[in-house]
Amino acid sequence: ILNVEQSPQSLHVQEGDSTNFTCSFPSSNFYALHWYRWETAKSPEALFVMTLNGDEKKKGRISATLNTKEGYSYLYIKGSQPEDSATYLCASNTNAGKSTFGDGTTLTVKP
Amino acid sequence: ETGVTQTPRHLVMGMTNKKSLKCEQHLGHNAMYWYKQSAKKPLELMFVYNFKEQTENNSVPSRFSPECPNSSHLFLHLHTLQPEDSALYLCASSLRGHPQETQYFGPGTRLLVL
Repeated sequence: ILNVEQSPQSLHVQEGDSTNFTCSFPSSNFYALHWYRWETAKSPEALFVMTLNGDEKKKGRISATLNTKEGYSYLYIKGSQPEDSATYLCASNTNAGKSTFGDGTTLTVKP
Repeated sequence: ETGVTQTPRHLVMGMTNKKSLKCEQHLGHNAMYWYKQSAKKPLELMFVYNFKEQTENNSVPSRFSPECPNSSHLFLHLHTLQPEDSALYLCASSLRGHPQETQYFGPGTRLLVL
């Protein structure tokens, strides 16, 4: 992996469904992985920052895991709600401070 | 409200114009960032300032000129832009510019170059 890649590009789920998406990043020179939530016409909002292999973070119904050896992070949303509809961005930071963002996964939750 | 404001929110300019984008943060942070998001592309880091000193210039053309007079304010001066520079320009700040710090983003300036 040379760049930060997110999949899927978009996702449509029903209210109440649980869902997850992936962020893949270069494992060399890795320092930190950030997840952001970006609603239309608003500012990107930080969800999690993770640095250690095996890190797990949780915030309400949203959680994330990190595997630095293989270069991926998963974001999980349990019991999706319409207000979870947004684009979820991940960004990988190297130890030199270089920050690279993925294209994002756009989640739409239908009532 | 993230504590980071940007003005203007929308800007239309001709290729011969000179304009400036302004970012202000009320969080007491010392690092500030400019990002660009073009259509169908990921967010791209342009510049980083840490304690008013530029610490990163990500090969940005000279028609974009940043200025950081103090830790709370960041400007992006624009001159002789091209239509392909039309994009969303986001400002962000963090406490000390460390890679593991959360960045707080402004709402962005939507720029259209005609």
